[in-house]
Amino acid sequence: TQLLEQSPQFLSIQEGENLTVYCNSSSVFSSLQWYRQEPGEGPVLLVTVVTGGEVKKLKRLTFQFGDARKDSSLHITAAQPGDTGLYLCAGPSGSARQLTFGSGTQLTVLP
Amino acid sequence: NAGVMQNPRHLVRRRGQEARLRCSPMKGHSHVYWYRQLPEEGLKFMVYLQKENIIDESGMPKERFSAEFPKEGPSILRIQQVVRGDSAAYFCASSPTGWGNTEAFFGQGTRLTVV
Repeated sequence: TQLLEQSPQFLSIQEGENLTVYCNSSSVFSSLQWYRQEPGEGPVLLVTVVTGGEVKKLKRLTFQFGDARKDSSLHITAAQPGDTGLYLCAGPSGSARQLTFGSGTQLTVLP
Repeated sequence: NAGVMQNPRHLVRRRGQEARLRCSPMKGHSHVYWYRQLPEEGLKFMVYLQKENIIDESGMPKERFSAEFPKEGPSILRIQQVVRGDSAAYFCASSPTGWGNTEAFFGQGTRLTVV
């Protein structure tokens, strides 16, 4: 079973600060996805990274896929209260029949 | 994503009753996945179905839980003789093909409470 570990588990910061959350595995993934989930809602896909070393930007969010495709990071610049939510990384299992999720980072941005 | 419809949004059942959760995938999507989420945790895979076939049910408890995706109509996750430990949010996702690099869309979930 391919496991994804996310850190930190909880993060509370002030509006305007920068932050980075991590997603790590001992296994190689063909791709990794990042989702954001708000209370009472389902996860919404933010980005998919496919190539080792790839960097993708989505406004104030920067996603990086590790060179060895075992880890990924999400960096948020100048966080806003609207960024509050549960951030989940996920990757297809070896058989690609399942999407394995990390346990998530619960981000709270205080105004 | 509003395209994947789950109902009911909230379901309360007494211990021993049956719970039936429904998921209508996005139009054109023939792959459906069910996940369970406990508070402040990630999503745990339960079962992967295509029309009329169960592809992977390795994450689903062998007893009391069953899933189907008939030729016509929504996918159904059924939990018989519910227990308090079944209380969780159950999410359905759909995609046009299997995972890999394909984006999957999640519904808003059904929150099951067993009293």
